[in-house]
Amino acid sequence: EPEVTQTPSHQVTQMGQEVILRCVPISNHLYFYWYRQILGQKVEFLVSFYNNEISEKSEIFDDQFSVERPDGSNFTLKIRSTKLEDSAMYFCASKITGSGNTIYFGEGSWLTVV
Amino acid sequence: DAKTTQPPSMDCAEGRAANLPCNHSTISGNEYVYWYRQIHSQGPQYIIHGLKNNETNEMASLIITEDRKSSTLILPHATLRDTAVYYCIVLNNAGNMLTFGGGTRLMVKP
Repeated sequence: EPEVTQTPSHQVTQMGQEVILRCVPISNHLYFYWYRQILGQKVEFLVSFYNNEISEKSEIFDDQFSVERPDGSNFTLKIRSTKLEDSAMYFCASKITGSGNTIYFGEGSWLTVV
Repeated sequence: DAKTTQPPSMDCAEGRAANLPCNHSTISGNEYVYWYRQIHSQGPQYIIHGLKNNETNEMASLIITEDRKSSTLILPHATLRDTAVYYCIVLNNAGNMLTFGGGTRLMVKP
């Protein structure tokens, strides 16, 4: 069964460093997402991406964050200068298109900022 | 987006049906009800979704009331591996974004 894959599964980085989290969405999907979950808290929406541009973003997704689809398969989340409070599980997700279609999630990348 | 209300936690005996309720009294006519679950800190897993009619798949059944103000997710024979947080989510009108609430923590006990 097709699935969303994410790398790395776990990354430890020093505060102030740049981090890139990578995702390979399901191959025929056109909508892409990043969510995050701080330990013990809710899953929070960060950003959605369609047709090579951001379609929606939350207040969390500030100037420190950016997303990119550098080629036909990868979808990346970059955090320019990490802060301690960026420590969280980051989930990538994708769906085919349109309303009423299911969003599928990857297993997540656990980011620890020290 | 329509908000949902779920009990924070429920217990269920292994092998019995688990019935997880969800209230979504402000749902709009074209908004779908989705159910996901999250086991430990894994990625949210899609279970089922519906608009008006009841739905069934290999994982669960979804019963939506006629007025669409509430729904129930039914796991017909719960196993220990069904222990998870279950999220009832109403998909926004654009159909593009899921907003997760606190969900129901289901504990399946032997």
